[in-house]
Amino acid sequence: EVQLVESGGGLVQPGRSLRLSCAASGFTFDDYAMHWVRQAPGKGLEWVSGISWNSGSIGYADSVKGRFTISRDNAKNSLYLQMNSLRAEDTALYYCAKDRSPHIDWYFDLWGRGTLVTVSS
Amino acid sequence: DIQMTQSPSSLSASVGDRVTITCRASQSISSYLNWYQQKPGKAPKLLIYAASSLQSGVPSRFSGSGSGTDFTLTISSLQPEDFATYYCQQSYSTPPTFGPGTKVDIK
Repeated sequence: EVQLVESGGGLVQPGRSLRLSCAASGFTFDDYAMHWVRQAPGKGLEWVSGISWNSGSIGYADSVKGRFTISRDNAKNSLYLQMNSLRAEDTALYYCAKDRSPHIDWYFDLWGRGTLVTVSS
Repeated sequence: DIQMTQSPSSLSASVGDRVTITCRASQSISSYLNWYQQKPGKAPKLLIYAASSLQSGVPSRFSGSGSGTDFTLTISSLQPEDFATYYCQQSYSTPPTFGPGTKVDIK
C-alpha cells in the first residue's frame, strides 16, 4: 500500500526542540521530492519545507528558516524535520507530502495523516 | 509571496447541484494551480493539478479551468462524499501558497 506515516509529534515547551519523522512505503522513495506542510488548529494549510530526491535542493518557509532543518534518508525511506527554538505559533498538525517528481515542483500528490505538535508551557 | 484568495469562503448546496469555487492569485501564475479536497480529520487529497488536469482516481465530475490569475473548480453534480473543504494552491514560485479554503456543506 502506498502510504506516508508521520511520527514524533507531542507537547513541547517554547524554545525546545522536536524531531519529526515520516516513513514512506509502497513507492520508490528516492524517485520523488518530499515536503512538510502544516495546519494550525482550525486553520488553513502552510508549506513548511521541501527537499529534492537527492537532497541537492532544499527550501524553507520564511517562518521557519534558520530554526527548522529538513533531511531525508533514502536507504531508510524516511523524511525528517528537525525543529529547534519552537514557538507557540508552530503549534499545528504536520503533514508529510510527496511531490510528483524528483525535483521540488510543489505538487503534493500523496499525504500522510499528520502528527500533532503542540508548543506550550 | 503570491497571495491566493478563494470565493466563497463557504457555501451550502444539495446533492446533485453544480458547484463552482473561484480562486484568484495576486499575480499571474500561468497554469501552476492545484486543487485539494480535505474532509474533517483527514489529510488533503489532490484533485486537480496544472489548473485543469484530473489527478488519477478522481471522479470526472470534478474539473478545473483558468490561467493567469483566475481559476475555477467545478463539481458538476455534487455527491454526498463531496462535502468537504477545498483549497487552491499555486506551484508557480516559492513559497508555494494555499488559498484560505472553501467549505462546502449540506443545504
